[in-house]
Amino acid sequence: AQSVTQLDSHVSVSEGTPVLLRCNYSSSYSPSLFWYVQHPNKGLQLLLKYTSAATLVKGINGFEAEFKKSETSFHLTKPSAHMSDAAEYFCVVSDPESSGDKLTFGTGTRLAVRP
Amino acid sequence: NAGVTQTPKFQVLKTGQSMTLQCAQDMNHEYMSWYRQDPGMGLRLIHYSVGAGITDQGEVPNGYNVSRSTTEDFPLRLLSAAPSQTSVYFCARGGIVSSTDTQYFGPGTRLTVL
Repeated sequence: AQSVTQLDSHVSVSEGTPVLLRCNYSSSYSPSLFWYVQHPNKGLQLLLKYTSAATLVKGINGFEAEFKKSETSFHLTKPSAHMSDAAEYFCVVSDPESSGDKLTFGTGTRLAVRP
Repeated sequence: NAGVTQTPKFQVLKTGQSMTLQCAQDMNHEYMSWYRQDPGMGLRLIHYSVGAGITDQGEVPNGYNVSRSTTEDFPLRLLSAAPSQTSVYFCARGGIVSSTDTQYFGPGTRLTVL
């Protein structure tokens, strides 16, 4: 069965400093991976997705993530945090070979950005 | 909201009451799904549909019914609400035609069961 682990439930950074949100997954050899962001009292918005093309994926708002098969990781990064990045972030895996295309969500990482 | 609308935005029920959460899409996508979001648990799939007339259970289907009479609408019914169903509910369209598809989520319905 597929699974995803977000290693930090809360991350706090200062504005202008780098952001790293960690995600490890368990899946077959060809999963699809997504990062979604949820701002307070809002729905989920897709940041980026990996679908077996380039291992470094660029998303919206300056975020990017790198798929590392050897480490089963898909960490989300941003070079410089902005106050508007404060939100909850979800790592999501989809593996059709093990779970029939269903999405499995991580438990989320809440990002706080200090002025 | 990527073409997905949900009503109501907020709802308070008493234990044992029934209600229907509405979800509609305007993109004519075959795949729709319902999730619930609880603190510290991410999103969990309740039910999903791969097309009109076809529905299936997700991870946490108990206490919920769905139907898909049209491509556009995918209502979620709570037949007898329980406090354990207090949650935020998200409807989504897309995904599952292939694993590379993206799911787009509605704004959510915040439900409280007293």
